[in-house]
Amino acid sequence: EPEVTQTPSHQVTQMGQEVILRCVPISNHLYFYWYRQILGQKVEFLVSFYNNEISEKSEIFDDQFSVERPDGSNFTLKIRSTKLEDSAMYFCASSALRAGHAINQPQHFGDGTRLSIL
Amino acid sequence: DQQVKQNSPSLSVQEGRISILNCDYTNSMFDYFLWYKKYPAEGPTFLISISSIKDKNEDGRFTVFLNKSAKHLSLHIVPSQPGDSAVYFCAASATNFGNEKLTFGTGTRLTIIP
Repeated sequence: EPEVTQTPSHQVTQMGQEVILRCVPISNHLYFYWYRQILGQKVEFLVSFYNNEISEKSEIFDDQFSVERPDGSNFTLKIRSTKLEDSAMYFCASSALRAGHAINQPQHFGDGTRLSIL
Repeated sequence: DQQVKQNSPSLSVQEGRISILNCDYTNSMFDYFLWYKKYPAEGPTFLISISSIKDKNEDGRFTVFLNKSAKHLSLHIVPSQPGDSAVYFCAASATNFGNEKLTFGTGTRLTIIP
């Protein structure tokens, strides 16, 4: 079964450094998302991406964050200058184009990248 | 932000019995609801979903019920198996031309007792 792949599984970075989290969505999916889960808290939406542009972003997704689809397979999340509070699990998700009466398609998630900021 | 609530942080059920997980929501714009299962060190795995035009959706041992007037949904697992032990998340979205951000509940840890 096709799956979303995320690398690395764990990233340790010094505060103030840039970090890039990578994702390979399911190949025929067109909608891409990043979520994060701080330890002990809910999974929360960061950003959605479609047709090479951001569709929606949350208030968490400030100027320090950016997303990119540099080629036909990868989807990346960059944090320019990391802060201690960026420590979390970051999940990438993708979903297929809606078709017919199936107007909603479920999002499928990768196994996440654990980001630890020191 | 408590738009999606799972009021039971944990639930224990005997193997072979029915597991019922509950979820409440407050945002009346939500029209698509999903259940995800999560094991430690893995991402959420999609289980089953339901659109607001339905009140029930079934897939094998999993059935989701939606009560729109009460803004409540539930996931029934029958019969429960030891492999069902995991954290279950309820999520909801509002239709937005395919770009539907999910709002998650806090999760319910289900333990199946052999």
